[in-house]
Amino acid sequence: KNQVEQSPQSLIILEGKNCTLQCNYTVSPFSNLRWYKQDTGRGPVSLTIMTFSENTKSNGRYTATLDADTKQSSLHITASQLSDSASYICVVSGKNNDMRFGAGTRLTVKP
Amino acid sequence: ETGVTQTPRHLVMGMTNKKSLKCEQHLGHNAMYWYKQSAKKPLELMFVYNFKEQTENNSVPSRFSPECPNSSHLFLHLHTLQPEDSALYLCASSQGRTGGRGEKLFFGSGTQLSVL
Repeated sequence: KNQVEQSPQSLIILEGKNCTLQCNYTVSPFSNLRWYKQDTGRGPVSLTIMTFSENTKSNGRYTATLDADTKQSSLHITASQLSDSASYICVVSGKNNDMRFGAGTRLTVKP
Repeated sequence: ETGVTQTPRHLVMGMTNKKSLKCEQHLGHNAMYWYKQSAKKPLELMFVYNFKEQTENNSVPSRFSPECPNSSHLFLHLHTLQPEDSALYLCASSQGRTGGRGEKLFFGSGTQLSVL
């Protein structure tokens, strides 16, 4: 079983709507958690990093949350745009220098 | 642009061919990585180089052979590949201060490889 599980696997929403992507992990001891956005035909690009003491962090219309007790993170996208269509990958790093990738959530925003 | 350039973008090869993938980073980073990305699967780490030295080989078959001549360039030499090796191969770099792991990764656009 992967140490980083993302849900849903895929999601279709209408332009302008909000959505939330989930990431559950078992990596321990925990160091940090990053969300990456991967456009089709491109490599992943970092959106945000969450460390143990951070609960919420925003980057424009993207807001990431972290609950280190329950080992859960979410990425909330507000007022979605067509350009938000991409795969969103959760990556959790442990203090033992291990880095675990989720399989990603494929988001499609339709007009 | 992320500062990491991969060539070629697409590659089709037969199982008996030999080819090489190239990666170059212009970010002054000291750690470089090869990842394999298959559909609906998590990225699989293949190799890590830190200050030109290989620090991790994630049980990759010998038909994949990495080369890191300096901190800015990384190659992946391919020979006698199998159809199941078809995937997107991503190169990444990071600052390399913590041995590379746990750092923000800067990815290239990848090479889409098809093995016939």
